[in-house]
Amino acid sequence: EAGVAQSPRYKIIEKRQSVAFWCNPISGHATLYWYQQILGQGPKLLIQFQNNGVVDDSQLPKDRFSAERLKGVDSTLKIQPAKLEDSAVYLCASSRNPGGWERPYEQYFGPGTRLTVT
Amino acid sequence: EDKVVQSPLSLVVHEGDTVTLNCSYEVTNFRSLLWYKQEKKAPTFLFMLTSSGIEKKSGRLSSILDKKELFSILNITATQTGDSAIYLCAVGSGGSNYKLTFGKGTLLTVNP
Repeated sequence: EAGVAQSPRYKIIEKRQSVAFWCNPISGHATLYWYQQILGQGPKLLIQFQNNGVVDDSQLPKDRFSAERLKGVDSTLKIQPAKLEDSAVYLCASSRNPGGWERPYEQYFGPGTRLTVT
Repeated sequence: EDKVVQSPLSLVVHEGDTVTLNCSYEVTNFRSLLWYKQEKKAPTFLFMLTSSGIEKKSGRLSSILDKKELFSILNITATQTGDSAIYLCAVGSGGSNYKLTFGKGTLLTVNP
C-alpha cells in the first residue's frame, strides 16, 4: 500500500511569513496526526484528527498554527506568521483508528517537511 | 504530564556488538509502547508492545516490556553499520483520544 505522502519536502521562509504543509494519509486510515520534531528531540504531537473532527489540539499554538482536514482524507497545516523557533521537521502520521478500547494501532509516518525560518 | 525517558542519549559501538536501549515512562492510562527507527527521514515502525514479559522479535532486534517497573528495552544483536539511526520510544495513552508521547531518542552509531 502507498505510504503517507507529504509536501513540500523542504521549505525556507523568513520570519513573519506564512507557510502551509500538505499531507495525504494511507488509504482507509481514519486518524491523522501532525507532529513537530525539533532537532535533537522526539516528535511532539500538535493535532490529531479522527476523520474530519479534531480529537486533540492541546499542544497546537493556536495563535499562529491552524490545521484542517475538511473531507476526512488529506490535511493541511498552516503557520502564520512564522517564528524562528518554528524551524523543525513537520511530520504527518496516520493510523487505522486511535484504538478505542479494543487495540491501539501503530502510526505510520510520512517523509516530513523540513522547515527553516530565517 | 506524560513523560518518556530514553537512555543512553547516544551510543557508539563497533560492528558485531550487542546493544541495549532503554525506555522508561510515566503516563496516565497506558495503552501501548512502540519503538521506531529514524534515519534521515520519517520514523519507521519496529514494534508495538502491550503486554508485560512477551518478547517481540524481528531478525536481530527484540524488545520486551515491563509494565510493573514501567520500562522497555530494545536489543540489537550483531550490530551492522545499517543499524546506525535514532531509535525512538513512544508510549500510547488515552482512550478515544489515544495519542503517542515520544522520548528524545537514542542516537546509535555503529562503526565498521
